[in-house]
Amino acid sequence: EAQVTQNPRYLITVTGKKLTVTCSQNMNHEYMSWYRQDPGLGLRQIYYSMNVEVTDKGDVPEGYKVSRKEKRNFPLILESPSPNQTSLYFCASSPIPSRDVYGYTFGSGTRLTVV
Amino acid sequence: GQQVMQIPQYQHVQEGEDFTTYCNSSTTLSNIQWYKQRPGGHPVFLIQLVKSGEVKKQKRLTFQFGEAKKNSSLHITATQTTDVGTYFCAGMKEYNFNKFYFGSGTKLNVKP
Repeated sequence: EAQVTQNPRYLITVTGKKLTVTCSQNMNHEYMSWYRQDPGLGLRQIYYSMNVEVTDKGDVPEGYKVSRKEKRNFPLILESPSPNQTSLYFCASSPIPSRDVYGYTFGSGTRLTVV
Repeated sequence: GQQVMQIPQYQHVQEGEDFTTYCNSSTTLSNIQWYKQRPGGHPVFLIQLVKSGEVKKQKRLTFQFGEAKKNSSLHITATQTTDVGTYFCAGMKEYNFNKFYFGSGTKLNVKP
């Protein structure tokens, strides 16, 4: 089954403790992206990657890191989480965005709470 | 600031009533996509519109892309409880194929 797999689904952590949220897709998509979802703000892009070793900042990159060493994986790293990073996070993938793209496939989400 | 504006933020309807959500951009869009997110779920791709003035239908859902390619709408005829969820538009700006800008979403509640 074509899918984007995120782990963990839920995570409660303390301020300053480094964490990684994993994302993997099995559709051979070039493009992968991380979003955070907050009430009233919709989906805001954190980082995206056009292909292996190619990453770029989205709209809200501060406090986050990513890497794309393999095509299928795109982990999101929070080096020193803070309470304002408490949010619902989604990983998404697609073929390279273009006029012909058929939309993102989203993972099931990771609900992160930083206390 | 928000690149793509979406209204209303919330809509409560009685089952059987119609529903419409609107997206507006200050700049011309190359295309626009619509997604549905059920409560507790993740966004699921519904459709993409590319051409100026394009209209597409999926059963009771009608999607429109404005003539100037700066606005779009999603209309649901005779809502059902299965339509409950948040509907997002996502626009791609012309000459910037790297990203989609998501609207803030419209949360639809349908009372049986």
